[in-house]
Amino acid sequence: DAGVTQSPTHLIKTRGQQVTLRCSPKSGHDTVSWYQQALGQGPQFIFQYYEEEERQRGNFPDRFSGHQFPNYSSELNVNALLLGDSALYLCASSLWSRSGYGYTFGSGTRLTVV
Amino acid sequence: AQSVTQPDIHITVSEGASLELRCNYSYGATPYLFWYVQSPGQGLQLLLKYFSGDTLVQGIKGFEAEFKRSQSSFNLRKPSVHWSDAAEYFCAVGPNAGNMLTFGGGTRLMVKP
Repeated sequence: DAGVTQSPTHLIKTRGQQVTLRCSPKSGHDTVSWYQQALGQGPQFIFQYYEEEERQRGNFPDRFSGHQFPNYSSELNVNALLLGDSALYLCASSLWSRSGYGYTFGSGTRLTVV
Repeated sequence: AQSVTQPDIHITVSEGASLELRCNYSYGATPYLFWYVQSPGQGLQLLLKYFSGDTLVQGIKGFEAEFKRSQSSFNLRKPSVHWSDAAEYFCAVGPNAGNMLTFGGGTRLMVKP
C-alpha cells in the first residue's frame, strides 16, 4: 500500500521564477493538505483540498496556489519566488469522512531559491 | 488563536536514560493533540494522538504522552531511550486530526552512547 508520494524530491529555482510541486495521496485518501517547513522550524499549514476545492487556507499570500485532480492528486504552485520561500514542502493526505484518523505525510520536496 | 510551545530546542540524553519532552498549547476548545517525529530529510511520522478518554496515551516505539488540561500540557515520555530515537520531535494541536494543524517549533533530541 503506497504512502504519500511527492515529486520532485529536490529542486533549485531562481528568484522570480515559478515552481510546481506534486503530491499523490495515500491509497484510499481523498484529502490533501500542504505544509511549509522552513529550516529549523515546525511545519506551517498552507492549504487543504477536498473534492477539488480549497477548503482551508493558512496565512500565506496568493502567490501560493493549488489544485486537486479527480484522482485526488494535488499540485502546489508558487509564483514570483522569493528567497524566503526556500523550505521543505510537505504534503499530507487524509480521508475527509474519517478525519479523526489523522494525516499521512510524504517525505517532502526540498525547494531552494537562489 | 491556537498555538504550541516547545520550550526545549535541544535535549541530549544518554542511551538508556528516561526522556520527557515538553509541550504547552493554547486552544479555545477541546483540541486534538499530536506528537510527530521527523528524521533528517524525512517527512513526519505520527507517534501518538489524543482527543478524549484516558489522559495517558500510548504510542508507537514505546512512547507515551500525558494530557493535563489544567496545565495545558501534553508532554511526551519514554522510559528508556535508544540511539535510534535521535530525531526532531514536534507537538501539534488542531480541531481534529485531519484538519489544519498548528505545530510547535520542535525539539531536537540527541542520544549519547
